[in-house]
Amino acid sequence: DSGVTQTPKHLITATGQRVTLRCSPRSGDLSVYWYQQSLDQGLQFLIHYYNGEERAKGNILERFSAQQFPDLHSELNLSSLELGDSALYFCASGDRTGTDTQYFGPGTRLTVL
Amino acid sequence: AQSVTQPDIHITVSEGASLELRCNYSYGATPYLFWYVQSPGQGLQLLLKYFSGDTLVQGIKGFEAEFKRSQSSFNLRKPSVHWSDAAEYFCAVGANSNYQLIWGAGTKLIIKP
Repeated sequence: DSGVTQTPKHLITATGQRVTLRCSPRSGDLSVYWYQQSLDQGLQFLIHYYNGEERAKGNILERFSAQQFPDLHSELNLSSLELGDSALYFCASGDRTGTDTQYFGPGTRLTVL
Repeated sequence: AQSVTQPDIHITVSEGASLELRCNYSYGATPYLFWYVQSPGQGLQLLLKYFSGDTLVQGIKGFEAEFKRSQSSFNLRKPSVHWSDAAEYFCAVGANSNYQLIWGAGTKLIIKP
C-alpha cells in the first residue's frame, strides 16, 4: 500500500458526460501528479500540482482540468467524454526530498460507452 | 532532450532463470533513476531508486539495478525469477529541475513455467 488513495476505483459513463476523479496524496506529500494509461498510448503524464499550484502540464486535453485543494487532495475533471478517454487514470504523490520519487495510487478505471 | 529507452517491449524468461531488463537514458547531469513494476490492473509500485553513491542498488522483491554512467544505463536484474514477477516494468529518470519523471515505454515480462 503506497498510502495514496484514489476514488472511485471504477467508473462507467457515457460519451459527452463529465466525471471527477479524486486523489489523496500520502501524508506530508505536497505534490500530486496525474497520469493516463491506455493500451495504445502507454503511460502519459497529464499534470503536476505542488502545494495547490500547477507546476507542469503534459499531454492534457483542454477538456480535462485538475486542481489541488488546501488539504492537498486533488481532483481531475474530465468533460465531454469520448470513447478514446477510456483508460486507467493514476495519481502519484511526490515526496518532499526533491528526488522526484513518486508513489502511485491504485488508479481509477474509466470506461466511456 | 531528456529521454528514456527500454529497448525490449516483451521479454520471456523461464521460471528460475535470471533476468536483466535494459534501460538507457539521455540526460545531461547525474540523474535520479527509478524502476517501477505494474501488475495487471494495478498501480505502479516503486522497486528501487538511485540518487548517488553506490552504483549497485538493492530493491524490493529481490531486484537490483546497476547505474553505469559510461553507458548511460540503469539495468534491472534478478538472479532467479518467480511466476509472480510477471508484470510490466518501467524505468524512469528524474529531471530534478521541475520534479518531473521521464518514463520509458515499459517492458512486459512473461514467465514460462
